[in-house]
Amino acid sequence: DGGITQSPKYLFRKEGQNVTLSCEQNLNHDAMYWYRQDPGQGLRLIYYSQIVNDFQKGDIAEGYSVSREKKESFPLTVTSAQKNPTAFYLCASSTVDGTNQPQHFGDGTRLSIL
Amino acid sequence: AQSVTQPDIHITVSEGASLELRCNYSYGATPYLFWYVQSPGQGLQLLLKYFSGDTLVQGIKGFEAEFKRSQSSFNLRKPSVHWSDAAEYFCAVVSSGGYQKVTFGTGTKLQVIP
Repeated sequence: DGGITQSPKYLFRKEGQNVTLSCEQNLNHDAMYWYRQDPGQGLRLIYYSQIVNDFQKGDIAEGYSVSREKKESFPLTVTSAQKNPTAFYLCASSTVDGTNQPQHFGDGTRLSIL
Repeated sequence: AQSVTQPDIHITVSEGASLELRCNYSYGATPYLFWYVQSPGQGLQLLLKYFSGDTLVQGIKGFEAEFKRSQSSFNLRKPSVHWSDAAEYFCAVVSSGGYQKVTFGTGTKLQVIP
């Protein structure tokens, strides 16, 4: 079955350390997204990419970086500049055919600070 | 700017009782609306979507939602709640055309008591 795989499920970061969250999809979707979820705040968009080798900042991009070298993959790096990285991170994908089909989500990665 | 309001942070219902979760949106054009469900530690699963046409939309797991343009609402309903429905529910609005900007509500957490 097609879907989105996020890994790892749990991740711990030390002070001053960069960590990378993996997101892979086999849905043949052109667009991919990263969201951050905090209790009581819903989902907030970090970065999105509509095509390989192109990505745009979302609403809360500071302290994060991404790459999109392959259609299937959209890794997110949480840098040491992100002072409050503890959150649940969700990756999503969708088509970009203009029909606004819903996004499909992975099962998330929970990042905590040691 | 588009926005979504879910006025109820937490709702408790008895198993077998009916359920209605409220969602109000703000969007200048015809909205594309979704309801998602999230179990603890999991990603978001699409329950149903509204694009146009019939204002009463049927979804998975026995859920339905009614689009009311005059009230800018898209409330989710279920006639008889099961214990397995306990989860967090998110309403979302998507901008039509171009980049798929999704705005999520802050979520309603549903507790089901026996």
